[in-house]
Amino acid sequence: EVQLVQSGAEVKKPGESLKISCKGSGYSFPSYWIGWVRQMPGKGLEWMGIIYPGDSDTRYSPSFQGQVTISADKSISTAYLQWSSLKASDTAMYYCARRSGTTVGDYWGQGTLVTVSS
Amino acid sequence: QSALTQPASVSGSPGQSITISCTGTSSDVGGYNYVSWYQQHPGKAPKLMIYDVSNRPSGISNRFSGSKSGNTASLTISGLQAEDEADYYCSSYTSSSTLAVFGGGTKLTVL
Repeated sequence: EVQLVQSGAEVKKPGESLKISCKGSGYSFPSYWIGWVRQMPGKGLEWMGIIYPGDSDTRYSPSFQGQVTISADKSISTAYLQWSSLKASDTAMYYCARRSGTTVGDYWGQGTLVTVSS
Repeated sequence: QSALTQPASVSGSPGQSITISCTGTSSDVGGYNYVSWYQQHPGKAPKLMIYDVSNRPSGISNRFSGSKSGNTASLTISGLQAEDEADYYCSSYTSSSTLAVFGGGTKLTVL
């Protein structure tokens, strides 16, 4: 069974750094792109970026380029999303999702809620 | 502003059918047969309901169907049930990005 399991909720202060994770199981993790999706409170879904764990090829949406860093460690089947300096506007639910062929999001993680508040 | 346009809300009574539209351009919806639909219940992760315009993943009810005409894709839900009440998002491959693009989402209310 394919599963993506994300790390738990985080509460941070503005300016702090953060790295959240997404661990895949039940399939060949290096062989499928993993994307990150932001959902701000009460809002819709936004693709942030995507990584191919096999060679760490990474692409970012223009809106998120330079704002976050996406990485992966194929040896432990885990993808990451990190911030170097959080802002209150980063408060959102973040999902990881697997891409299979032309379908981006055939499986999803359960989400990680990030709250940034002073 | 989302790249794909969906109605903000639709509603229907149990047993009825509803259709949600998703309008893009020739660079995304109109140019490729790579439209997906996702269902999201409150507090839950999105769930893939339709891929490649009209294909259902294993385990998805045949009450859900997808189609496309020109730059507009559609999701039809027949025999509405209370459990179908959720937000629905379309997504399409786009030639302008490695990433797909989402619609703004449609809230389905079952009356």
